Amino acid sequence: EVQLVESGGGLVQPGGSLRLSCAASGFALNSYDMNWVRQAPGKGLEWVSYISSSGTMIYYGDSVKGRFTISRDSAKNSLYLQMNSLRAEDTAVYYCARGGSWNYGYWGQGALVTVSS
Amino acid sequence: DIQMTQSPSFLSASVGDRVTITCRASQGISDYLAWYQQKPGKAPEPLIYAASTLQSGVPSRFSGSGSGTEFTLTISSLQPEDSATYYCQQLNSYRATFGGGTKVEIK
Repeated sequence: EVQLVESGGGLVQPGGSLRLSCAASGFALNSYDMNWVRQAPGKGLEWVSYISSSGTMIYYGDSVKGRFTISRDSAKNSLYLQMNSLRAEDTAVYYCARGGSWNYGYWGQGALVTVSS
Repeated sequence: DIQMTQSPSFLSASVGDRVTITCRASQGISDYLAWYQQKPGKAPEPLIYAASTLQSGVPSRFSGSGSGTEFTLTISSLQPEDSATYYCQQLNSYRATFGGGTKVEIK
C-alpha cells in the first residue's frame, strides 16, 4: 500500500527555518516524480516544488524560489523540503504528493507550518 | 506560469441535481488536466486525470471533458457525500498550477 507521511511542521518565527520530511512506503521514491503542495488556512491549493524521478529536474514556485530547497534520500525513501527565511505568508498545511504528468495520485496527510512571532 | 481559472467559486445545489464546474487555462494544455475533491481537514483526492479519465474507484456520476483551454467537471446526480471543494490542476508543465477551487454545498 502506498503511503506518504509528512513530519517536521510546527511554529517558527519569521525569518526562521524548518525542514519538512515526507516518508514514503509501498514504493521507491526514486522511481517517481514528487511534489510539495501547500494550502494556507481557508485558501486554495498552491504548488510549491517538484523533483523528477531522476532528480535531475527541480522546479520551485515563484513565491518560494531562493528560500526553499527540495531534496530526497533514496536510502531513507524520504522527501524533504528545507524552508529558510520563512514569512507569515508561508503559514500553511504542506502536503507531499506523488505524481508528474497526469495527476498527483497519492498525497500525505499534511504538516502544518505556522510562521508567527 | 499557466494560470487556471475555475468558475463558479461556490455553488449550492440539491441532491439529484446535475452540477457543472468550469476550468479555463491561460494557454493550451492539451488534455493535461486533473480534478481533485477535497473535504475539510483532509488531503485532496484525485477524481479525474487526462481531462476525462476517471480515477479507479471514483463513482461514475463524475465525468470530465475538454481539451486545450476549456474543461468541465460534471456530477450527473449530486449526492450528499459530494459536498466538498473541487480543484482543477494543469500538468502540461511540471510547474503544475491549480485553479482557485469550487465549493459545492448541498441545499
